[in-house]
Amino acid sequence: DTGVSQNPRHKITKRGQNVTFRCDPISEHNRLYWYRQTLGQGPEFLTYFQNEAQLEKSRLLSDRFSAERPKGSFSTLEIQRTEQGDSAMYLCASSPPRGSQETQYFGPGTRLLVL
Amino acid sequence: AQKVTQAQTEISVVEKEDVTLDCVYETRDTTYYLFWYKQPPSGELVFLIRRNSFDEQNEISGRYSWNFQKSTSSFNFTITASQVVDSAVYFCALRVGNQFYFGTGTSLTVIP
Repeated sequence: DTGVSQNPRHKITKRGQNVTFRCDPISEHNRLYWYRQTLGQGPEFLTYFQNEAQLEKSRLLSDRFSAERPKGSFSTLEIQRTEQGDSAMYLCASSPPRGSQETQYFGPGTRLLVL
Repeated sequence: AQKVTQAQTEISVVEKEDVTLDCVYETRDTTYYLFWYKQPPSGELVFLIRRNSFDEQNEISGRYSWNFQKSTSSFNFTITASQVVDSAVYFCALRVGNQFYFGTGTSLTVIP
């Protein structure tokens, strides 16, 4: 495994249902980010983990959204009581510890459609 | 507040032409990083380059070059002798602290 993986790749759900997405970062990367991207827009930052600690949360992350990274490896993003406005691509990215290779490596994303 | 502006929404060029993608950023922080990413039709964002705020040296990598000017808060990206495979959406991004701010992207189409 040489990249960031995300599952599922696609999710269709009905309004009001809960959904959970998973991100597996590159193994030696201790930093993990979640983004949301809607059509025609750039990625919007949602939250950031360093190891298992959630250090940053965007104001975009309403109380229906929760993210975890319990063991500092994979992360989950849960959306409760989904709304049609939650339809978007959810991207995960990881970075190595601070140093000369500070950049993000993105996963393929999970495309969510809320009907 | 942080902001990244990519004023060019769509650009079309004929193969082998040079093309410059503009990026203007706003931040009051003195320490920040600038990035360019490519998002091909397959959808996965691909890292192209990173610069920190203290390094204004321009960079060339093959057909790609970047011009960072703090005086105008710009970080422009030039593709020389464009190819059809360059067709993609290109995003400029700003990192301040642990947060990244992306522009809305420029969709580049290279016509054979």
